[in-house]
Amino acid sequence: EVQVVESGGGLVQPGRSLRLSCTASGFTFDDYSISWVRQAPGKGLEWVAFIRNQVHGGTTEYATSVRDRFTISRDDSKSIVYLQMNSLKIEDTALYYCTDYTFWGQGTLVTVSS
Amino acid sequence: DVVMTQSPLSLSVTLGQPASISCRSSQSLVNREGITYLNWFHQKPGQSPRRLIYQVSNRDSGVPDRFIGSGSGTDFTLKIGRVEAEDIGVYYCMQGSHWPRTFGQGTRVEIK
Repeated sequence: EVQVVESGGGLVQPGRSLRLSCTASGFTFDDYSISWVRQAPGKGLEWVAFIRNQVHGGTTEYATSVRDRFTISRDDSKSIVYLQMNSLKIEDTALYYCTDYTFWGQGTLVTVSS
Repeated sequence: DVVMTQSPLSLSVTLGQPASISCRSSQSLVNREGITYLNWFHQKPGQSPRRLIYQVSNRDSGVPDRFIGSGSGTDFTLKIGRVEAEDIGVYYCMQGSHWPRTFGQGTRVEIK
């Protein structure tokens, strides 16, 4: 069964950092390019970041709102994708999903507040 | 960034009746290879999103054939042939042709 589980969310002060993890199972993780998508409370979906599989260079793309603050990376040996979030802002508060658009986790909640 | 504009933002539909959602992009979604990457997602209350349609008109596995995607260039439509109770929730279009990817604002569908 294909499964992805996001973790690492929590309450953090503005300006601090947090690292999210997306752990996958049930499929050949190396073959997949992965995105992070977030959803602020009561709001719509916002695409955040993307990492290609190694066949396509493992390169990355970012939303304008997070570029230079967030870094997506992957460890194929562990079937994990990370989202390192630095200089967090209140507007980064959201439920963060890991997805390839066909599978989605349940999300991990990040709350940025003083 | 490509701006995706959905309309209407809210839709109240009678069970068994059709529904239609429009999605317009601020620039053409036809990429260099001539492929149009336009997706439709459905998010039921309290659940994670689910992709229904990819590349404008291709249904994902298990998606009922009452969901029909169409369009080209900058104008796209998701039609629900006959709305069922399980179709409530929010529908989003998302373009996958340009970086960064962008979603529409969402269209909330409710039953009258």
